[in-house]
Amino acid sequence: QKEVEQDPGPLSVPEGAIVSLNCTYSNSAFQYFMWYRQYSRKGPELLMYTYSSGNKEDGRFTAQVDKSSKYISLFIRDSQPSDSATYLCAMRQSNSGYALNFGKGTSLLVTP
Amino acid sequence: GAVVSQHPSWVICKSGTSVKIECRSLDFQATTMFWYRQFPKQSLMLMATSNEGSKATYEQGVEKDKFLINHASLTLSTLTVTSAHPEDSSFYICSARDSGDTGELFFGEGSRLTVL
Repeated sequence: QKEVEQDPGPLSVPEGAIVSLNCTYSNSAFQYFMWYRQYSRKGPELLMYTYSSGNKEDGRFTAQVDKSSKYISLFIRDSQPSDSATYLCAMRQSNSGYALNFGKGTSLLVTP
Repeated sequence: GAVVSQHPSWVICKSGTSVKIECRSLDFQATTMFWYRQFPKQSLMLMATSNEGSKATYEQGVEKDKFLINHASLTLSTLTVTSAHPEDSSFYICSARDSGDTGELFFGEGSRLTVL
């Protein structure tokens, strides 16, 4: 079993929809959780960074962490065509030296 | 925000040759840099952790003699793919950790290697 599981999609939604992206993990030692956005042939760009269980909001993005269920989510409100990209969840332990464990990424397409 | 520059962004080489990829932190110092490999529609897989002034730490299954990593300064790490073969064709991405207070990780734009 991979440490981080993420449905690769693709996920296609109409413009303006609410998007829900999810990851599950098996290693209870993971303490830090991130969401990255990656456009084709580009490096990942950090969107959200969370530590504790609960919600964190930044503009149209909300990150949710449930450590008891080992489940994290990213919600995108009022989705735009420019949000079309691959979204990667990533996580690490507190003593891992900052090396990240990535999910496979979910491909999102927002259609006008 | 901080910028991590990778060069070249894409390279095509013949089988058996060596290719060097550079990763530079442009406006911050990075004592630690990470090298990842990403195959199409796959996740980023950590290859090695590069520490300035010391030997890199390789992940299990990554050949250190094939993927040479040098981190000679606080702003530059290089990955050399030696005796490249077609199966080494991939997208190589580096990330650098800001040694300052934030400790934030920044990713480069990636380098696409195609071995013929």
